Formats: sequence, C-alpha cells, structure tokens
Amino acid sequence: SQQGEEDPQALSIQEGENATMNCSYKTSINNLQWYRQNSGRGLVHLILIRSNEREKHSGRLRVTLDTSKKSSSLLITASRAADTASYFCATDVSGDMRFGAGTRLTVKP
Amino acid sequence: DAGVIQSPRHEVTEMGQEVTLRCKPISGHDYLFWYRQTMMRGLELLIYFNNNVPIDDSGMPEDRFSAKMPNASFSTLKIQPSEPRDSAVYFCASSLGISYRQFFGPGTRLTVL
Repeated sequence: SQQGEEDPQALSIQEGENATMNCSYKTSINNLQWYRQNSGRGLVHLILIRSNEREKHSGRLRVTLDTSKKSSSLLITASRAADTASYFCATDVSGDMRFGAGTRLTVKP
Repeated sequence: DAGVIQSPRHEVTEMGQEVTLRCKPISGHDYLFWYRQTMMRGLELLIYFNNNVPIDDSGMPEDRFSAKMPNASFSTLKIQPSEPRDSAVYFCASSLGISYRQFFGPGTRLTVL
C-alpha cells in the first residue's frame, strides 16, 4: 500500500521556471527520499532527508520536510527539458519503504 | 560498478507459463528489494532480503509468487503459473542498509498474454 502521496499528479512548466512537488504521508517516518524515473527506466535516487532535518540541498534541488504536517516538498530550480520525468517520494517507516504514485513533470523547451 | 543488473529486460509469455526474473545486486550491498510497477497500483514493494534472508514478504500478492536469494550476488522472482494481471514492470533494487538510498535496476517488463 502507498504511504506517500504526491501532489500534483502532473505538472507542466517552461524551461527556466521552478517546479515544486509536494508529498504528504500518514505515519511517523525515519527518513523521506525523493527519486526520479525517466520513461522506461529504473528509479534514480535524488536526495534523502532524515526526520530530524528540515531542509536539504543538492545542486538545483531543494527538499524540505515538515514532520508536524507530515509533508515534504521538492523544488527544482531553473528547470531544464532534461528534468522531464516522474518524481516519487518514498517514506521509510522502520525500514519499510513505501512509494507514492508520483508527479509527472514535463518541462517544455 | 555496473549497477543492479536485471534479466531479461523484456518477457512475453502466455498465461499459465512459469516466469523467472533475475537480479544481480551491487556488490557489497546487504539489502535486496523486489518491486512491481503498474499504472493502476504504482510502485509496490513485493519482498526484501537482508544478507540473503527474506525479511518481509507481505507484499507478495499470492502463492503464485516466490522469491529466492541463494547467495549475495543473485536473486530470482518466480511466478508460477503466470496470469495476465501479472503484466507489469518488475524492479530489483539494492542498498547498503535498510534506511539508505536504494539503487534500482532497469526493470523487467513482463507481458502475460
């Protein structure tokens, strides 16, 4: 069963714009991870944020975590056409990893 | 490192046939996961192993599914007999620890006619 739920389900933006995706979950977590999946490929890990962290950066990626609201957001700044993919959040509950349904991001050149 | 290796990449079979999917995790990783991805159900965890021992198989849909890990470098997921509703992409992933980042293979696209 899925624990994390991404919002929106689909997002279409122009190259250069920022993209924000949200993830909500139900139970307490050890950490939350974001993954990217290009069409027809496996998932690629982007970033991991632990339950005691509030914000993390990696290149053009910024992830926030609000454990009181049980939510996380992934911000991609200055998007590129190559960022077109599906993005998934995965919540780790005592080792049990659950993935959300994903956000389909389309970046138009 | 070559990453997680899965074979075959595509499998087309007829209902009732046995299907075996294979996975070679990244060397040194002690956790191995099998997932199934469909449009309807998204990405589902089927089973995972720690040091070759199955830890949680609660996601395995039914007795037709079985998974083994005879050694640290090889795992199989078997479906017998296969049914059309088993059609999906099956991913294998491995990690260095239970709460660490997972490395996914390219997946096996299974079509059961």
